[in-house]
Amino acid sequence: GNSVTQMEGPVTLSEEAFLTINCTYTATGYPSLFWYVQYPGEGLQLLLKATKADDKGSNKGFEATYRKETTSFHLEKGSVQVSDSAVYFCALSGGTGGFKTIFGAGTRLFVKA
Amino acid sequence: NAGVTQTPKFQVLKTGQSMTLQCAQDMNHEYMSWYRQDPGMGLRLIHYSVGAGITDQGEVPNGYNVSRSTTEDFPLRLLSAAPSQTSVYFCASSYSTGSQWGGEAFFGQGTRLTVV
Repeated sequence: GNSVTQMEGPVTLSEEAFLTINCTYTATGYPSLFWYVQYPGEGLQLLLKATKADDKGSNKGFEATYRKETTSFHLEKGSVQVSDSAVYFCALSGGTGGFKTIFGAGTRLFVKA
Repeated sequence: NAGVTQTPKFQVLKTGQSMTLQCAQDMNHEYMSWYRQDPGMGLRLIHYSVGAGITDQGEVPNGYNVSRSTTEDFPLRLLSAAPSQTSVYFCASSYSTGSQWGGEAFFGQGTRLTVV
């Protein structure tokens, strides 16, 4: 079945450092890929998405590219801020897996001032 | 625009008690689902629904029931609470994207449940 694997955390960075959170997936068909973010005490919210191979999703300085050849969707940001401290989830939906959204385990990011 | 609304936000139950977590969405989404979030385990799917009158089991359905009498509402019932059900519960809704599913999920704020 479909699955998502993302790097374990926590990840601790200093402000203005470069961020990469790795995500790989297993799926049949052509799923959509997502990154969600969860701030403390809140629900998940969509950060960015890509719906087909080679698409780049971007939002708030974060980027991720849908790489079908490596089945990856790594999240990057050039310069993190303290306010980016949160838990980040990679996810997929669609393709032959249908409507279910499958999540990775989440990666907690701490950014120090 | 309210989006997905969950109630209550916090709940403490005694072992063996039953309760219903409420979830409502106002976006006319076909698909609704319930997840539980436990430390280090991401979100695990409990039950889901692809439309009114249609529900199915997810990854961890034992101890929970659902029904979908309207497009808007998707309550989750705990039949006889156990300490293993202590968790944060999220309701989500999403939509199809034409020929196949793949729309993003919209989440409620969560219900933090403690079973003692």
